[in-house]
Amino acid sequence: IAGITQAPTSQILAAGRRMTLRCTQDMRHNAMYWYRQDLGLGLRLIHYSNTAGTTGKGEVPDGYSVSRANTDDFPLTLASAVPSQTSVYFCASSEGNEQFFGPGTRLTVL
Amino acid sequence: AQKITQTQPGMFVQEKEAVTLDCTYDTSDQSYGLFWYKQPSSGEMIFLIYQGSYDEQNATEGRYSLNFQKARKSANLVISASQLGDSAMYFCAMRENNFNKFYFGSGTKLNVKP
Repeated sequence: IAGITQAPTSQILAAGRRMTLRCTQDMRHNAMYWYRQDLGLGLRLIHYSNTAGTTGKGEVPDGYSVSRANTDDFPLTLASAVPSQTSVYFCASSEGNEQFFGPGTRLTVL
Repeated sequence: AQKITQTQPGMFVQEKEAVTLDCTYDTSDQSYGLFWYKQPSSGEMIFLIYQGSYDEQNATEGRYSLNFQKARKSANLVISASQLGDSAMYFCAMRENNFNKFYFGSGTKLNVKP
């Protein structure tokens, strides 16, 4: 089934640990995005990539890094997790006037 | 400043009635897109409708229509003939086409009453 997959589905992480959230799409979309969703705040853009090899900062990039080595994969890395990074993380891709979302990763940092 | 403002944290509507969810946006760009998404309790994000800044007619998709008032910078979602399955969170979003970045509002939780 075409779409976006994210891994893991959920994770509990100790503060200070490094964590990479994985995102893969099979629709060959050029643009990909990472958001975090927190109660009452909607979705906030962390980082984005308009094409393989390029990335850009969103609204809340601090503490996160991304890479885009190829069209399909867009991993998000937390170098040293902190409790304020507890959130639901959504990966998305877009082409034209529609944006497709992955199922999300629920991350808890203790 | 907030790029997208949704002023209704929660709303109730009677089944089969119409409901309007408010959204205002802030941008200095001339080229942008406006989107609405539905997020049921299961958590997935479902695309509903799109309106381009240069589109002169309001977008419609089945029971969804977008009331686009460019001068007022508003992009309200109208759901006609509400159904119980419409109960969900609804997010308004804007894409600034220069950088292809999306901004989301804080959402409106809609409850449809039988």
